[in-house]
Amino acid sequence: DTGVSQDPRHKITKRGQNVTFRCDPISEHNRLYWYRQTLGQGPEFLTYFQNEAQLEKSRLLSDRFSAERPKGSFSTLEIQRTEQGDSAMYLCASRGQGRYEQYFGPGTRLTVT
Amino acid sequence: TQLLEQSPQFLSIQEGENLTVYCNSSSVFSSLQWYRQEPGEGPVLLVTVVTGGEVKKLKRLTFQFGDARKDSSLHITAAQPGDTGLYLCAGVGAGGTSYGKLTFGQGTILTVHP
Repeated sequence: DTGVSQDPRHKITKRGQNVTFRCDPISEHNRLYWYRQTLGQGPEFLTYFQNEAQLEKSRLLSDRFSAERPKGSFSTLEIQRTEQGDSAMYLCASRGQGRYEQYFGPGTRLTVT
Repeated sequence: TQLLEQSPQFLSIQEGENLTVYCNSSSVFSSLQWYRQEPGEGPVLLVTVVTGGEVKKLKRLTFQFGDARKDSSLHITAAQPGDTGLYLCAGVGAGGTSYGKLTFGQGTILTVHP
């Protein structure tokens, strides 16, 4: 299966802890997106990478959030000093150059207690 | 800020009925995508529409992009219990530097009863 993969699928953490999520896009896709989805809502854009360059960040991405894509392949999203409001599904998607379609991974469900 | 209004939010129907989900905006989109999402999973792409007035069919599902590329609809014929799920429309804004990021509607939760 060469779809988008995310790890872990579920993460439970205590408030104040740091967490890191990983996304592996479809191998030939150079565009990678992170979204966040809360219960009963559609996903909301967080940040975008083209190859290794982070070209856009949403205002939703506070200074506690950081994302990297060091070699233009996999990406990581780190949340420092987690808060209960960070509880959500974190989704990664990738897109090929010249293509419209974005393909999503299965998501990482974060629960902050 | 681009907004996509999706309606209805909830839809509960009997097997065999037809239904239509609407996605409306005051903004123009360069492309619009429809996804289906199961609980605890990521959205799965159903279709992408790009041209104003475009109609695409996927078995019993018919997708239409408005002529002005501001709205879209999803019509399901003879719904089946397997169609149950969350349906999401998502658009890429036209003009400016959108980088292809998607703006999503709130979603329609469809339940088809046997």
